[in-house]
Amino acid sequence: DGGITQSPKYLFRKEGQNVTLSCEQNLNHDAMYWYRQDPGQGLRLIYYSQIVNDFQKGDIAEGYSVSREKKESFPLTVTSAQKNPTAFYLCASSLQITGELFFGEGSRLTVL
Amino acid sequence: AQRVTQPEKLLSVFKGAPVELKCNYSYSGSPELFWYVQYSRQRLQLLLRHISRESIKGFTADLNKGETSFHLKKPFAQEEDSAMYYCALSGLNNAGNMLTFGGGTRLMVKP
Repeated sequence: DGGITQSPKYLFRKEGQNVTLSCEQNLNHDAMYWYRQDPGQGLRLIYYSQIVNDFQKGDIAEGYSVSREKKESFPLTVTSAQKNPTAFYLCASSLQITGELFFGEGSRLTVL
Repeated sequence: AQRVTQPEKLLSVFKGAPVELKCNYSYSGSPELFWYVQYSRQRLQLLLRHISRESIKGFTADLNKGETSFHLKKPFAQEEDSAMYYCALSGLNNAGNMLTFGGGTRLMVKP
């Protein structure tokens, strides 16, 4: 089944700990994105990457970090600096920066 | 700044009734608008985009620049239409040319 794979689906962490969410795609897409989904607020862009070794901050990048060492992979690290990290995180990719977005199944992070 | 507003968090209709999911936007340039849908236990996926002017699963959406709206309509709702719907706008924001999503509307179609 080709597409975008996010892992883990569910993750629990204690306050003060960093956690990394994985996102892998086999669609040969250049652009990849991380969104945060909160009830009633829609999807908010955290980071995006148009090409390997390059990424840009989105609207709510504070407390998050990313890397893009390979075209297929775009991991997101939720750091202890993120004040409200409990959320549902969605990864997406597109062939071009303004093309149709293909989404993963999401990762739900809960901070205890 | 660009903004997408979906005024209804929840819309409940009976099967066979017409449905309209509202979407209003603010954007100073020429927008490109989309509707994305998330069915239960499925991924978020593109439903339709305004530039293609097509009907998908019986849904249509017309861009009204005068009213800055892009409402999603279907004349006869089906139970399988129950899902979360997001309106999105592609335009320039502080992150470049990105999609901005509305807050979403949950559609429930009752039998």
